[in-house]
Amino acid sequence: DTEVTQTPKHLVMGMTNKKSLKCEQHMGHRAMYWYKQKAKKPPELMFVYSYEKLSINESVPSRFSPECPNSSLLNLHLHALQPEDSALYLCASSQDRSDLPTTQYFGPGTRLLVL
Amino acid sequence: KNQVEQSPQSLIILEGKNCTLQCNYTVSPFSNLRWYKQDTGRGPVSLTIMTFSENTKSNGRYTATLDADTKQSSLHITASQLSDSASYICVVRGYGGATNKLIFGTGTLLAVQP
Repeated sequence: DTEVTQTPKHLVMGMTNKKSLKCEQHMGHRAMYWYKQKAKKPPELMFVYSYEKLSINESVPSRFSPECPNSSLLNLHLHALQPEDSALYLCASSQDRSDLPTTQYFGPGTRLLVL
Repeated sequence: KNQVEQSPQSLIILEGKNCTLQCNYTVSPFSNLRWYKQDTGRGPVSLTIMTFSENTKSNGRYTATLDADTKQSSLHITASQLSDSASYICVVRGYGGATNKLIFGTGTLLAVQP
């Protein structure tokens, strides 16, 4: 199974709402990632978890809160978002081996619209 | 500054034709280079991954080349199909520091027309 799944596929939320994005993989990968992608732009790294610990936070605003409950799951909690946060949110996973050219496997993304 | 630049930005070709996409990078030290295909509204899918010592790697109709001396890579698509229409992203991983970070190019948008 080389699949990363994400739910929901689409999400529309108001600026006062609280919602969560979910990501799951069963490849035994110990590194998981959240990316944000605007239209016609490359993905931008937001967070990296390595062995269930947050290892990289790319100065993301606190209205985005990641969580890694276990090695297979990654959540992104959203609160008080702004319309400019509307984007495709991608989850990815990889073997956490800095000595090997490991491939990051991406999920299909969650299309988020903030009204 | 670590950067990855791709050309052309967009490309239109007829079905059955070949095409070549370019990627230049300034990432140093270099670990590996990947090519991803991303369909609109979907997550990127890995096509190839190459390390410093690899010059070429194929995946079906996709062939990637790497010249680590000139810091250039290309992705050649043979006998294009309508399903090849997508954005192709060159991604470079540096070595050391935040080793899990990938540096993404801006992509080449390929449209294959019948």
